Amino acid sequence: EPEVTQTPSHQVTQMGQEVILRCVPISNHLYFYWYRQILGQKVEFLVSFYNNEISEKSEIFDDQFSVERPDGSNFTLKIRSTKLEDSAMYFCASSGVGGGRGELFFGEGSRLTVL
Amino acid sequence: DQQVKQNSPSLSVQEGRISILNCDYTNSMFDYFLWYKKYPAEGPTFLISISSIKDKNEDGRFTVFLNKSAKHLSLHIVPSQPGDSAVYFCAASGTGANNLFFGTGTRLTVIP
Repeated sequence: EPEVTQTPSHQVTQMGQEVILRCVPISNHLYFYWYRQILGQKVEFLVSFYNNEISEKSEIFDDQFSVERPDGSNFTLKIRSTKLEDSAMYFCASSGVGGGRGELFFGEGSRLTVL
Repeated sequence: DQQVKQNSPSLSVQEGRISILNCDYTNSMFDYFLWYKKYPAEGPTFLISISSIKDKNEDGRFTVFLNKSAKHLSLHIVPSQPGDSAVYFCAASGTGANNLFFGTGTRLTVIP
């Protein structure tokens, strides 16, 4: 069964460092998402991406964050200068249908710890 | 700003009994609702969805009920099995939106 894969599974970084989280969405999906979950809190939407551009983003997704689809398979989330409060589990998701109507397939997550 | 609320952080149910997980929403523009299940160290997995044109959707042991006037939905699992023990997230989206709003989750424990 096709799945969304994420790397790394866990990354520890120093505050102020740049971090890149990588995702390989399901191959025939067109809509890509990043969500995050701070420990003990809800899953929060960060950004959605379609047709090589951001289609929607939340207030969390400020100038420190960027997304890219550098090739036909990878979808990356970059945090330029990490803060302590960026520590969270980051989930990539993809969907074959947009508009929040389709089932989102989530990866297993990348845990980011900022020290 | 919590547009999707799951007021019960945890629920324990005996195996074979019914589990009822509840979810409330505040945004009247939401018209599509989903339930996701999450095991530790894994991403959320889609369970079942319902459009606002329906008030019930059933898939095997899982049934979702939607009460639009009350802005409330519930997930029924019957009979509950130990493998159902997980965190369940309610999610919602509105027409034209391209993202899901998640609740805080309810941890279900099914006791053998």
